[in-house]
Amino acid sequence: AQSVTQLDSHVSVSEGTPVLLRCNYSSSYSPSLFWYVQHPNKGLQLLLKYTSAATLVKGINGFEAEFKKSETSFHLTKPSAHMSDAAEYFCVVSAFGNNNDMRFGAGTRLTVKP
Amino acid sequence: NAGVTQTPKFRILKIGQSMTLQCTQDMNHNYMYWYRQDPGMGLKLIYYSVGAGITDKGEVPNGYNVSRSTTEDFPLRLELAAPSQTSVYFCASSSHAPGAEQFFGPGTRLTVL
Repeated sequence: AQSVTQLDSHVSVSEGTPVLLRCNYSSSYSPSLFWYVQHPNKGLQLLLKYTSAATLVKGINGFEAEFKKSETSFHLTKPSAHMSDAAEYFCVVSAFGNNNDMRFGAGTRLTVKP
Repeated sequence: NAGVTQTPKFRILKIGQSMTLQCTQDMNHNYMYWYRQDPGMGLKLIYYSVGAGITDKGEVPNGYNVSRSTTEDFPLRLELAAPSQTSVYFCASSSHAPGAEQFFGPGTRLTVL
């Protein structure tokens, strides 16, 4: 079985400063890992995914995440926050090859201050 | 290319009423999914389908039914609505490739009073 824990329910940063959203996972199998973003009253959009290739994954809008098997982590980072990054972010895990059992974290709300 | 579309966007139901949430995708994806999102929680899988005529239960299927008569459509039926079904419902689709991205619709906000 798979599960994911997002360590912060709310993160607040100033515009232009780095962003770190933390995610730890548990999986009995080789995992696929995803970060999705949800802007207010919108559906979810994929930021990036890890599926057993390079451990450092680059996504859209300058975000990246590093898969660390020894730490069972998949933290999301961005060097410089923009006001438009304010949204809810979800870390998601599934067993590789099993598209039907994606487990979502509870989400991290990112606030960006001017 | 519209992606995944859902109707309606908002709905208020009385306890005991029934309704169908519509979902259509135009990406020729085999896999389709229904999730619910409650405040402060991640998404929970209600039902999924791996192709026309094939559906299966997810994590929270009680109180819901689905059908998949075509590749494009995957409606979700609520019978005898209850306040516990107040939620935001998302439909998604993906290809069958391992690790495939799921594409989400804009959601339906349902309130049961």
